[in-house]
Parts: sequence; structure tokens; C-alpha cells
Amino acid sequence: EAGVAQSPRYKIIEKRQSVAFWCNPISGHATLYWYQQILGQGPKLLIQFQNNGVVDDSQLPKDRFSAERLKGVDSTLKIQPAKLEDSAVYLCASSLRRTRPDSGELFFGEGSRLTVL
Amino acid sequence: AQSVTQPDIHITVSEGASLELRCNYSYGATPYLFWYVQSPGQGLQLLLKYFSGDTLVQGIKGFEAEFKRSQSSFNLRKPSVHWSDAAEYFCAVGPSGGYQKVTFGIGTKLQVIP
Repeated sequence: EAGVAQSPRYKIIEKRQSVAFWCNPISGHATLYWYQQILGQGPKLLIQFQNNGVVDDSQLPKDRFSAERLKGVDSTLKIQPAKLEDSAVYLCASSLRRTRPDSGELFFGEGSRLTVL
Repeated sequence: AQSVTQPDIHITVSEGASLELRCNYSYGATPYLFWYVQSPGQGLQLLLKYFSGDTLVQGIKGFEAEFKRSQSSFNLRKPSVHWSDAAEYFCAVGPSGGYQKVTFGIGTKLQVIP
């Protein structure tokens, strides 16, 4: 079974530029998450999708971050314009079912590391 | 609001020694608890999870964890550490129903010395 795919793995940009990250979840997984992991910290949830609807985006900085999951499969996270403090690893995860936590294991991709100069 | 505390940022153990990583959580009802491991440059991999039933849960790679409701703890243990266990370990908590938001702790970095 293919895992969660993310691209690009690494990205270096100047502040005020824009960047986009792509995620393809495990086939059949209805729920998709984007986490931000700043160096030395645990992952912080940015946005959670159930199929193509947003379940939780309370911690997404909406003035600069946006995310979409068209057709309920793959997803794109965009940052525009980027700030220095956005330097982090952006992790995408997916899970099979949301209303049954016992099957709610999150499967993570390898992450996209963003450096903002 | 749910939260997770991992009091040890960095732990060093000798290969072959036992290991215990601490995790305390804050949640109003029975939580669902997880331990994930992250090797350098990799995503997070689930080690084990607790939802209900037996409070001692077994995971992959010889790890186990014990849920103690009275102490709001879910400590991770391994009787004999291998050099390949060097990684960062994250404890996480999620609610018992509905759409699950999983909250992670800050992580504990494990160093294994020969």
C-alpha cells in the first residue's frame, strides 16, 4: 500500500514570496490533515479536512495560509506571503475514519521542509 | 482544551538499558492516547495507541505504554534500548468521539550511547 506522498521535500524562498505544498493521502482515507512542525516543537494542526470539507482550521493563519482539497483526494497548502517564522516542516497526514477513533490512526508523509530567508 | 506535557526534552541512555519516557495529558473525559516516533528527516510513525480496555498496551519495536487515569499519564517504556531507537518520540491525545483533533506534545529526543 502506498503511503502519504508529499512534495516538494525541501523548499527555500525569500520572505514575502509564495510557496505551495502538495499532499496525496493514502487511497480511501477520508480525512486529511496539515500539521506545522517548527524546530524543537511538536506538530501543530493547521487544518483538517473530512472528504473535501473543512472540519477544523482554527489554527490556520488565514491572512497568509490557504488550503484546499478538491474532489476529496489530494490537497494543496499555500503560503502567501511567507514570513521568516513560517520556516518549519509541513506534515501531511491522513486517516481512514473519523467517527471511530479506534481506527483513527494518523499516517504521516515525510514532510516538506520550508526555509524562509 | 486538551493538552500534552512531555517533561523531558532530551534523554540519553546506554544501549541495553531500560527506557521510560514520560507523558502527562489534560483532557476532560477518557482520552485516546498515542505514541509516535520520528526518525531524522522522516514523518511520524505510530508506535502504539490506547482507546479502552487493558491499560497496558503493546506496540511495535518492543515498546509498551501504561495508561494511568489517576495520574493522567501515559508513559512509554522499553526494557532494553537498541541504538536504532535513537529518534524523537511524541505523545499525543485525542477526544473520544466525533471528529478527532489529535494534539501532540513537544517531543522527547532520545540519544542512545554505546
